Amino acid sequence: QVKLLQSGAALVKPGASVKMSCKASGYTFTDYWVSWVKQSHGKSLEWIGEIYPNSGATNFNEKFKGKATLTVDKSTSTAYMELSRLTSEDSAIYYCTRWTYYGLFDYWGQGVMVTVSS
Amino acid sequence: EIVLTQSPTTMAASPGEKVTLTCRASSSVSYMHWYQQRSGTSPKLWIYETSKLASGVPNRFSGSGSGTSYSLTINSMETEDAATYYCQQGSSYPNTFGAGTKLELK
Repeated sequence: QVKLLQSGAALVKPGASVKMSCKASGYTFTDYWVSWVKQSHGKSLEWIGEIYPNSGATNFNEKFKGKATLTVDKSTSTAYMELSRLTSEDSAIYYCTRWTYYGLFDYWGQGVMVTVSS
Repeated sequence: EIVLTQSPTTMAASPGEKVTLTCRASSSVSYMHWYQQRSGTSPKLWIYETSKLASGVPNRFSGSGSGTSYSLTINSMETEDAATYYCQQGSSYPNTFGAGTKLELK
C-alpha cells in the first residue's frame, strides 16, 4: 500500500534552516509529483510547492519561493524540503503528499512539526 | 490565485441529522476535492472530482456542484463524522484550500 513516511519533529533557532524528508513506498516514486503543504497551528492548509521525481522539475506557490527548496533522491524514493531563514511564522506542521491527476492529493505523510524558537 | 470560501466555519449536528457544507470559489474550477481531518491526524482525501467517494468513505456522504459553487452532504450524521472538512481546487496554480468547516456532534 502507498505510504509516505516523514522525518521527526524539529526544534530550530530563528534564522536557521531545517531539512525534512518524506520516504515513499508502495508505488513507483518517479511517476507522481510530490507536493508539500503547510498547516499553521489551528489553521488551514497552504500549498508550498511540488517536485516531479523523474525530472526534478518544480513548481512553487509564489509565497514560498526563496523559502522552500525541494529535492529528491530517486535511489531511496525520498523527497526532501529545506526551509531557510526561519522565523516564528514558519512554525507549523508540514505534510508531504502525493499529487495526482485532476489536481488532488491522494496520500499524505504523517506530518513534521517544526518549532522555531530561541 | 483562486480563493475558496467555506461555510459555515463551525457547526454542530445531531446524530441522524442531514448536514450540508458549502465551498465557493472566486473563479470557476473544473473539480472540487474534499478532505477530512480529525484532530491530531493528517488530512485524508474524502471526496474527489466533485462527487466521487474516496476508498472507505461511507455512502452517506455525497458531493455535488459545478463552476464556483460546491457542496458536501452527509445524509445522516454519525459520531465518527465529527471532524474538519476542507475543500481544495487543483484547476489552476497555486493549488488552494478553503479555511475549513469544523463539524461537531451536538
